[in-house]
Formats: sequence, C-alpha cells, structure tokens
Amino acid sequence: AQSVTQPDIHITVSEGASLELRCNYSYGATPYLFWYVQSPGQGLQLLLKYFSGDTLVQGIKGFEAEFKRSQSSFNLRKPSVHWSDAAEYFCAVGAQTGNQFYFGTGTSLTVIP
Amino acid sequence: DTEVTQTPKHLVMGMTNKKSLKCEQHMGHRAMYWYKQKAKKPPELMFVYSYEKLSINESVPSRFSPECPNSSLLNLHLHALQPEDSALYLCASSKVGTSAGYNEQFFGPGTRLTVL
Repeated sequence: AQSVTQPDIHITVSEGASLELRCNYSYGATPYLFWYVQSPGQGLQLLLKYFSGDTLVQGIKGFEAEFKRSQSSFNLRKPSVHWSDAAEYFCAVGAQTGNQFYFGTGTSLTVIP
Repeated sequence: DTEVTQTPKHLVMGMTNKKSLKCEQHMGHRAMYWYKQKAKKPPELMFVYSYEKLSINESVPSRFSPECPNSSLLNLHLHALQPEDSALYLCASSKVGTSAGYNEQFFGPGTRLTVL
C-alpha cells in the first residue's frame, strides 16, 4: 500500500539558514510526488512535483526537491529561509489510478529571526 | 483561471442546523474532492467525484452529503453535525486520468466550520 512518512513533526530554523524537510514514501511503481505548503487557516499550495525525468525539481518560492529512488525519498530543500516560509509542509504521493492522494503527516516549520 | 473558490469562509452552526458548503472551479477539471482537516493534521479524504459521479466515499457519516450538480460545482450538505465535526473543509480539483500530470490537485482556501 502507498504511504508517506515525514519523520520531522516540527523544525525550527533561523532566517537565512538552509532548510531540508524529509519525506519517505512507500510505493510499488514510479510514484508521482508532491510537496504542498499550507499557511495557517489557508488551503494547500503546490510547491513542486515530480513525475519522471530529472530527479532534481525546481519549484516556486525558491524551493527544490530531489527524488532518490534508492532511498525512497523526496526531500524538500531551500538554501536560505525567509520568515514568510513559516508554515506547515505536506509531502504527498499520487496514485497512478483513481486520482487518490496519500499525504504525509506534515512538518511544521518555525523561522526565528 | 487556476483558482478553486469556496464559500463561506467561516461557518458556525448548531447541531440541529442544515447548511451547505460550496466549491467552484473553472479549470475544466472533471475530478473534484472534499477533504476534512483538523488542526496540525494532514487533510483526510472524504469524497471524490469523477465526471460528476461519486467515485470514492471514504466511509463518511451520512450527516455529510455531497452533491456535484455540474462539472464546475461541488457542494457538501451538512445536517445534524456533532462538535467533533468542527474542522477546516477543503475542496480540490484535478484532471481525470492515469498518466503523469493528471494527479496534481488544486486546493481551495477552505471553509472553517465550527459546530456548537
């Protein structure tokens, strides 16, 4: 069965520091992978997605993610965090049939000055 | 237009009330979704409509009744809710298909529901 694990419930980083949020998935075939961000009380905004091809994908707001099949991972990175990046981040895997999504439990990011 | 809109933004209702949540998209998507989200938790899938027909019902209590009157609209009718149903209700839409690129879901801002 498909599943997504985000090992870090909460991360605190200083503004300007680099960021890496971890995501591990369990899926039998090539997965469709997504990172979404959710600001408090808001809907989910897509940061980036991976379907195939280049394993390093660029997204919005300066984020990137690297797909590593050997490690079943799709970690999100940003070289320099801004205070406005404080939010909840969700990794998700899309099923190849049925239009279903499987979300990870989320990582809450706090940015300190 | 890549926006999913939801109304109302906030809703407070008593346990005996009947209310409806509305979702609209004009991206030509033929799959639409309702999710329930509790604070600090991921969205939980409730219903999926594909080509205006209910394709997935994740064992949701009958006090929640979805409706898809046309390809752009999705409603969630609420009746006799419980306080534990208080949550953020998110609507999403996507293309329908099994090829890469069809799974990206676009989310609305949600309706914050409080049941007293």
